[in-house]
Amino acid sequence: DAGVTQSPTHLIKTRGQQVTLRCSPKSGHDTVSWYQQALGQGPQFIFQYYEEEERQRGNFPDRFSGHQFPNYSSELNVNALLLGDSALYLCASSLGTRPYGYTFGSGTRLTVV
Amino acid sequence: AQSVSQHNHHVILSEAASLELGCNYSYGGTVNLFWYVQYPGQHLQLLLKYFSGDPLVKGIKGFEAEFIKSKFSFNLRKPSVQWSDTAEYFCAVNDRGSQGNLIFGKGTKLSVKP
Repeated sequence: DAGVTQSPTHLIKTRGQQVTLRCSPKSGHDTVSWYQQALGQGPQFIFQYYEEEERQRGNFPDRFSGHQFPNYSSELNVNALLLGDSALYLCASSLGTRPYGYTFGSGTRLTVV
Repeated sequence: AQSVSQHNHHVILSEAASLELGCNYSYGGTVNLFWYVQYPGQHLQLLLKYFSGDPLVKGIKGFEAEFIKSKFSFNLRKPSVQWSDTAEYFCAVNDRGSQGNLIFGKGTKLSVKP
């Protein structure tokens, strides 16, 4: 059990559509970071949420947005989906914004057709 | 920009063989270094991490890594691999001056033959 719960596990969407992915952090963690892992690549940082605000952002377009709720859970939204958005989306939770004690979820596999 | 290079895409070993996976990073500042493992169908798990002090770091399941600052390297080693070590291994770097993100290498897939 990873302690971090992501839903759904798999998703198929059509180009141009919008998608929302969800993450419940490990108990006791207050920070959620999102990563995109394309096939054959390592995870790439999208953004991080702490105290319901985006604290840091990687090199991703504005089509990628997020939200953190008072219970520390988080959503990742992607608008105007492109074929290149097909990837495994990973959520990592931690206590505080440093990545020293990351716990990763198993991810959501998004396929854009 | 920081980057992490993992030299081998796919390594195939027989059980009991020794393992060394290479990792080099490009960044001139102070960094924290990590090795993560992803077993088939499972989530990423931390194997070991280096922040400061002794450059030889021991992790879980008999893995260790050595930080060589002059070579910008953080290679992962295990004296004797088991079939259960079959997994994908990721090296990652965190810039201590930044907030909370890790920069990952592309990963090395390890296949251990029984």
